[in-house]
Amino acid sequence: NAGVTQTPKFQVLKTGQSMTLQCAQDMNHEYMSWYRQDPGMGLRLIHYSVGAGITDQGEVPNGYNVSRSTTEDFPLRLLSAAPSQTSVYFCASRTDYNEQFFGPGTRLTVL
Amino acid sequence: GNSVTQMEGPVTLSEEAFLTINCTYTATGYPSLFWYVQYPGEGLQLLLKATKADDKGSNKGFEATYRKETTSFHLEKGSVQVSDSAVYFCALIVGGGGNKLTFGTGTQLKVEL
Repeated sequence: NAGVTQTPKFQVLKTGQSMTLQCAQDMNHEYMSWYRQDPGMGLRLIHYSVGAGITDQGEVPNGYNVSRSTTEDFPLRLLSAAPSQTSVYFCASRTDYNEQFFGPGTRLTVL
Repeated sequence: GNSVTQMEGPVTLSEEAFLTINCTYTATGYPSLFWYVQYPGEGLQLLLKATKADDKGSNKGFEATYRKETTSFHLEKGSVQVSDSAVYFCALIVGGGGNKLTFGTGTQLKVEL
């Protein structure tokens, strides 16, 4: 199993650009989520999904969209990038026993 | 609501020293408790977990005991190595399904020779 994969690993955007961070898992987990990690603030939940076709907002959803058309994939879209969205983004999936598996992260810089 | 409080870092130890990283929590209901570890440049990995009071989770020489009376889940290791240098996150979840994991802010551990 590849586990949770994320692409790209690094990305630089200009303010106002849009992009999609890709996330995929091959463990057949229903629950998936996106976090951002900023210094001194730990992990903050952006959006999550409890299964294909079902998504919901986390703590900091503004400026981000998600969709879940398949169990495997959970992309995160930045609609109009802002410098405040400079961060490291982690995708995760979770077992029925609440054990969460994280991807390797995407380091995003918005200029 | 639910919250997790961890000791501030960084914690700097010499190799073979004893490690304790404190974690306390507040939760509505009966949580499951977790410790995650993040090595430099990587995502978080589950280190250990405990699902009910008095359970002890253990892995790779690390241990933590679920103490309901003190609402704590302190991480311990008897003899740390340089390779243990990482950021450690305490987390909890109440129930399951669509419920969310609540993380502490993380504690950085630096182990020196």
